[in-house]
This record gives sequence, C-alpha cells and structure tokens, in this order.
Amino acid sequence: DVVMTQSPLSLPVTLGQPASISCRSSQSLVHSDGNTYLNWFQQRPGQSPRRLIYKVSNRDSGVPDRFSGSGSGTDFTLKISRVEAEDVGVYYCMQGTHWPTWTFGQGTKVEIK
Amino acid sequence: EVQLVESGGGLVQPGGSLRLSCAASGFTFSSYWMSWVRQAPGKGLEWVANIKQDESEKYYVDSVKGRFTISRDNAKNSLYLQMNSLRVEDTAVYYCARVDTRSYDYWGQGTLVTVSS
Repeated sequence: DVVMTQSPLSLPVTLGQPASISCRSSQSLVHSDGNTYLNWFQQRPGQSPRRLIYKVSNRDSGVPDRFSGSGSGTDFTLKISRVEAEDVGVYYCMQGTHWPTWTFGQGTKVEIK
Repeated sequence: EVQLVESGGGLVQPGGSLRLSCAASGFTFSSYWMSWVRQAPGKGLEWVANIKQDESEKYYVDSVKGRFTISRDNAKNSLYLQMNSLRVEDTAVYYCARVDTRSYDYWGQGTLVTVSS
C-alpha cells in the first residue's frame, strides 16, 4: 500500500499568518491517465471530514481561496495564506491514484497560538 | 443538496454483529461508487470498503476481509455495511462517503460503533 506521510503533525499558527502542510507519498501519484489524484480534507472539531482540494490543486466549491494546493509526483503541499479561527482542525492528505486501497496521511492538527 | 445519513451504530460485544445503513439523497445514487471510511477514537481516517454502482465490484481493506460485507439497494438509495465477528479494534465512527474524481466528495455525519465487553 502507498504510505502517505504528513508534516508537521501539529501546527500552531498565529491568526492572519500563513500556514503550510507537507504530504509525501511512498510512490508516485501520477496515474496512467496522466492525472495526479492527491486530495486534501479538513476535519473541524466534532465534524465530518470535508474535501478542500482534489487533483493536487483544484478547490472544491465553497472553499475559500486562501486555501491552495500544489506539488507533483510524491511531494505535495497545502497552504493557507492567512489563517482564520474557523481553520482550526485536522487536515488530511489522501491519495486516490492507487486503486482500490486509497490511503490517508496521519493528519496535521492546526491550532491557534 | 447531497445528503448522506448513517444509522445502525451502537455497543456490541466482541464477536457480535451490526448492520450499518446510509440513506442517500440529493443526487442520482445509482450513478456513483460508494464507500465506507472509519475513524477510531482520536485517530486518523481509514478506508474500509468500496462498491461499484451495480455491485459488480467490491473491495475491502485487509483487516475486514471475510468479516464485513458492503452492499447497496439503488431502488432505496441506500448503502449498507454488514459487520460480523466484530473486534475491539473495529471501534470507530463509520462514515458513508460518495466517490467522485478518485476521492470522497461528500461524507455523512458518521455513526459510532463500539465493540466492548
């Protein structure tokens, strides 16, 4: 199975400041169809996960543009340009390239300093 | 509006069984692969099982193979997870999720399964 490794696992941030989360995969996430199926999810305290980003850099409907995804191959990044209080929660990367065992990273907990 | 509503969780003894249900609405259920994803208390997310639109393909994480069965009823817009021979380590919130673009674009609110004596 593809192993997804996130860092850091805990990220204290100051309101209004940027934040960045790294996700690395044990194998390339480039699919035979040419797409890279790397996704990012946000899970606020007490809530279900919500998808933010799909195929590396595509924001889902309703996701603020302060969230952006980038990367290629095995290295990916989620950036929050200016952290707001509502961004507190755990962020997960997930690969959808290697079917059927889609795997998640361990999660990165974002909290306000 | 897409909605996924899980039910059927509860407390069960090791070796027991439970059947989870997920009621879908707001989209053409029969057009999508569907999945179950679980989250143990205080832990991360783990894919459990996938099912194709016509039930012709089903996949499971190794730890539940032979014990769990995913199924669906497209006429009732419902997804199911039959869980047998439950173990303490199966304790988790179980989420129903819609598959789209090799990802999960909608999730239910989850149902808690607790396996304990």
